[in-house]
Amino acid sequence: AQTVTQSQPEMSVQEAETVTLSCTYDTSESNYYLFWYKQPPSRQMILVIRQEAYKQQNATENRFSVNFQKAAKSFSLKISDSQLGDTAMYFCAFMKYNNNDMRFGAGTRLTVKP
Amino acid sequence: DAMVIQNPRYQVTQFGKPVTLSCSQTLNHNVMYWYQQKSSQAPKLLFHYYDKDFNNEADTPDNFQSRRPNTSFCFLDIRSPGLGDAAMYLCATRSEYSYEQYFGPGTRLTVT
Repeated sequence: AQTVTQSQPEMSVQEAETVTLSCTYDTSESNYYLFWYKQPPSRQMILVIRQEAYKQQNATENRFSVNFQKAAKSFSLKISDSQLGDTAMYFCAFMKYNNNDMRFGAGTRLTVKP
Repeated sequence: DAMVIQNPRYQVTQFGKPVTLSCSQTLNHNVMYWYQQKSSQAPKLLFHYYDKDFNNEADTPDNFQSRRPNTSFCFLDIRSPGLGDAAMYLCATRSEYSYEQYFGPGTRLTVT
């Protein structure tokens, strides 16, 4: 079974600074997808960024980028120029290729301080 | 805008009284999911539909049932809610051509 581990239950960062959220996963699969989802307080979960395991290049979406280390089974999220609106719960998630199930980590609660 | 809608947003039910949560989507996605999310925890997959094919997670209690009468709607039925079933219930959809899931705002269930 696939497991996703987020070792940082809570983090905080000053506005405009950079923060990195950690995620590791365990799988014997070679083809899979990794995701970071954001869940703001009392708001719905939205996708932040996605990485296909077969791609060596790290995904980037504006201020959000990942450091994907396939051999180490590590998938960290870097948020640059943090904004107050980035305050949220962040979930790392794993999905096997050609499968419908997605497994989430326990989440990291990020607070951006003014 | 295309979206995933969940009704009601807040639901209070009594211990043992059946309750139904609903989810609708305008995205025309053929995969629909139900997750249970307890306070400050990760969403836990209960079951999903791929078109009309129902897939139950092995550890989903029998107390939880689901119906999908058409592509747009999916229902979660809790036959005899217990206090431990109080949680946020999230509906999500996905196109078979993509791996991104789109989430609804959730229904917060309280059991008294």
